[in-house]
Amino acid sequence: NAGVTQTPKFQVLKTGQSMTLQCAQDMNHNSMYWYRQDPGMGLRLIYYSASEGTTDKGEVPNGYNVSRLNKREFSLRLESAAPSQTSVYFCASRVGGEGKTQYFGPGTRLLVL
Amino acid sequence: GQQVMQIPQYQHVQEGEDFTTYCNSSTTLSNIQWYKQRPGGHPVFLIQLVKSGEVKKQKRLTFQFGEAKKNSSLHITATQTTDVGTYFCAVKYNFNKFYFGSGTKLNVKP
Repeated sequence: NAGVTQTPKFQVLKTGQSMTLQCAQDMNHNSMYWYRQDPGMGLRLIYYSASEGTTDKGEVPNGYNVSRLNKREFSLRLESAAPSQTSVYFCASRVGGEGKTQYFGPGTRLLVL
Repeated sequence: GQQVMQIPQYQHVQEGEDFTTYCNSSTTLSNIQWYKQRPGGHPVFLIQLVKSGEVKKQKRLTFQFGEAKKNSSLHITATQTTDVGTYFCAVKYNFNKFYFGSGTKLNVKP
């Protein structure tokens, strides 16, 4: 039982390049989340998915797209990376319903030059 | 989104001293969660508070939820170097989305 896994661990991009961050969970959770964490700050929700095939915007969705193709996987895509998207990206999953904790992946550290 | 203010931003203590971080909201919360993030790590769930005035303890950690359900605190008694990290509160809004506080970074000097 690996929990929540994320790939890649580190990535360096040039401005304008695109990339997809991958996230998978093996806990059969319905809900999945993408957050970004900037230095010295808390986590800000980018996108949320309540179940397979559904997604919803969070606080900071601009510049990102997501895809929830199945229950296990939730990917985050940067179509045209900008330096302002330099951050640590965390994926999380949750059973859903009241009082259920989120389980976080190890994070992807992204640097956009 | 529902916002929470978390203070202080940083806290430096000598090992053995106590530590407290606070989260405050302008609106009534349905519940509040607390997470710990070690340096270079990912957030790990500590606890959830639901009831007005609730107090929960985990060894040296004491969590409180205010009577009005608008504020919460995390208190660590006799800090140890293993307590180093950033402590976040998180509140749920819009069905299943979460808003995280900005965190309190705790440094413990041995």
